[in-house]
Formats: sequence, structure tokens, C-alpha cells
Amino acid sequence: AQSVSQHNHHVILSEAASLELGCNYSYGGTVNLFWYVQYPGQHLQLLLKYFSGDPLVKGIKGFEAEFIKSKFSFNLRKPSVQWSDTAEYFCAVTRDRGSTLGRLYFGRGTQLTVWP
Amino acid sequence: GAGVSQSPSNKVTEKGKDVELRCDPISGHTALYWYRQSLGQGLEFLIYFQGNSAPDKSGLPSDRFSAERTGGSVSTLTIQRTQQEDSAVYLCASSQSLPGKNIQYFGAGTRLSVL
Repeated sequence: AQSVSQHNHHVILSEAASLELGCNYSYGGTVNLFWYVQYPGQHLQLLLKYFSGDPLVKGIKGFEAEFIKSKFSFNLRKPSVQWSDTAEYFCAVTRDRGSTLGRLYFGRGTQLTVWP
Repeated sequence: GAGVSQSPSNKVTEKGKDVELRCDPISGHTALYWYRQSLGQGLEFLIYFQGNSAPDKSGLPSDRFSAERTGGSVSTLTIQRTQQEDSAVYLCASSQSLPGKNIQYFGAGTRLSVL
């Protein structure tokens, strides 16, 4: 079955700690990869994306992610988190071809709580 | 408007009633998507429009769910004979053409509660 897996359901960190959220997908073909963030009471916003090229992509607010094709992974990282990073983070994938072209497949989300 | 607009923001209905949810995409975006976000199922795809046609409606959970898009702009998601399991946040997104490699921008959602 086609799926996107996020390994951590809830991560709790102190400010200035480093963050890594895992994401794996199960599709064999060409994929496009996204991380979305949902701050409390707000709508889903794009954090960063990978379509092609340099597998290390940088997004907003100091976030970055690395695409490792051999591991089917797209992990999200931030060297030093802030209280304002408290939010739910979703990894998502679209396929480049096929009948489900355009559909975003989401992971179940990771709730990040940062203590000041 | 600047972003994807959804209405109403909240809807409470009784089991068995029909509901209509509206989505107004970003101006110029030809692709429109509906998703559902619930505690038990996470974020699920429902249907995708390219212009006024729906190439992929395979995510609709039952024949009680339908959607249309007119004029290549506003879309309406209709749920007939609502059930308690339909309670969720219904999200709409839009993107420029060429799905897959385009960013989907999301609205704030409609929170549907079926009593």
C-alpha cells in the first residue's frame, strides 16, 4: 500500500535543542516531497519542498530537509528550536504520474512542543 | 482574495441532514483539492478538480459525498444524509496547473460536527 510514515507522534523539546523529524514513503517512482506545518489555530502552511536537484533543501524559519532516495526518506531538521516552533508537522508526497497525480499523501503528523 | 477561502468556518448539523461546504480558490489557480482531517484518519484526500472536471474522485468515502466546481473557480462539497463519522475538518487547497510539482495552498477549513 502507498503510505507516508512519520515515526514520532509527539516530540517535546526545550528551546535551543536540535530537532529531527523522520519521514519515510513507500512509492517506487518519482515523487515530490513536502513538509507542511500547522500552528495552533492556523491553517496548513508549506515549510519546504523538494522537486529535484540538490537533495538538501532549505525552508522558512531555519528548517531544512534532506532527501535520501535510497532510504525513501525526507527528514526534517532544525539546529535550534524556538518556543514559536510549537506546531504539528506533516510530511507529504505527490507522484509525478499515474491516476493519482496531484494527490497529496500525508503522514499522520508529528506534534512538536517546545518548552521555553 | 489573497488566499483560499472556505465557508462556513464551523458547521453543526443533525444526523441525516445535508450540508454544503464552499471553497473559493486563489485567483488563477486551475487545480482545486478537497481533503478531510480527522483524529482517527489523519489527512485524507477526497477529490481533485482540474478546471471544472474531476480527474480523481477516488477518495470520496461514499456516494453520500459529491463535489462540483463551476466556472473554474468556486467549488462546493456536498454531504448528504450526514452521519456522525462525517465529523471532521474539511480542507480545500488550490494550486496552479501541472499537479504534482505544484504547491498546494490550503484554506482554514470547515469544521463539521454531526450531532
